[in-house]
Amino acid sequence: DQQVKQNSPSLSVQEGRISILNCDYTNSMFDYFLWYKKYPAEGPTFLISISSIKDKNEDGRFTVFLNKSAKHLSLHIVPSQPGDSAVYFCAAMANNNDMRFGAGTRLTVKP
Amino acid sequence: DAGVIQSPRHEVTEMGQEVTLRCKPISGHNSLFWYRQTMMRGLELLIYFNNNVPIDDSGMPEDRFSAKMPNASFSTLKIQPSEPRDSAVYFCASRGTSGSLRETQYFGPGTRLLVL
Repeated sequence: DQQVKQNSPSLSVQEGRISILNCDYTNSMFDYFLWYKKYPAEGPTFLISISSIKDKNEDGRFTVFLNKSAKHLSLHIVPSQPGDSAVYFCAAMANNNDMRFGAGTRLTVKP
Repeated sequence: DAGVIQSPRHEVTEMGQEVTLRCKPISGHNSLFWYRQTMMRGLELLIYFNNNVPIDDSGMPEDRFSAKMPNASFSTLKIQPSEPRDSAVYFCASRGTSGSLRETQYFGPGTRLLVL
């Protein structure tokens, strides 16, 4: 049962433009959400998170938006850079604190 | 700190053989997680430990999979017997507790397993 879904397996954008990665979840008990970034042959690394008491969190070029009523969150990268090319995983946590991940979206930023 | 250490980095084995994956978490971290990454299902949580005690193993695919954490600095994930469908990248992650239960997880580099 995929409680966290990333319906776009891949995304390609031009350098300098905005990248928008989307994530949907089904479990209403989730109250903390994270994005991880993964380069080939490496483990995922934490990128940005958001608590359910917020609807936006910004860190430099990265902004995460949360729409609780729609059970949807998105990661915006502006401006996109070639070094941002990686697989991005959305993750969600509930009170039990184990983390559920989506299947990932492969972002390619073209120079 | 060296981060989460996993060994081996690559493993090729034949169907039916026993496979043991190893993980050393970051020193001081008290939670350890095993994940499996496949093209079809992305990152799946297999099992996690708190203070060396298994908390949730509902993600373990079947009885062929077992995990242990004999002490705070070492964990193993064993597959016996292995099957070709077990081929995947297996990640170990650890998490500390600094007063916030939402502290992020730190992943190891993964073990790429191929079962022929």
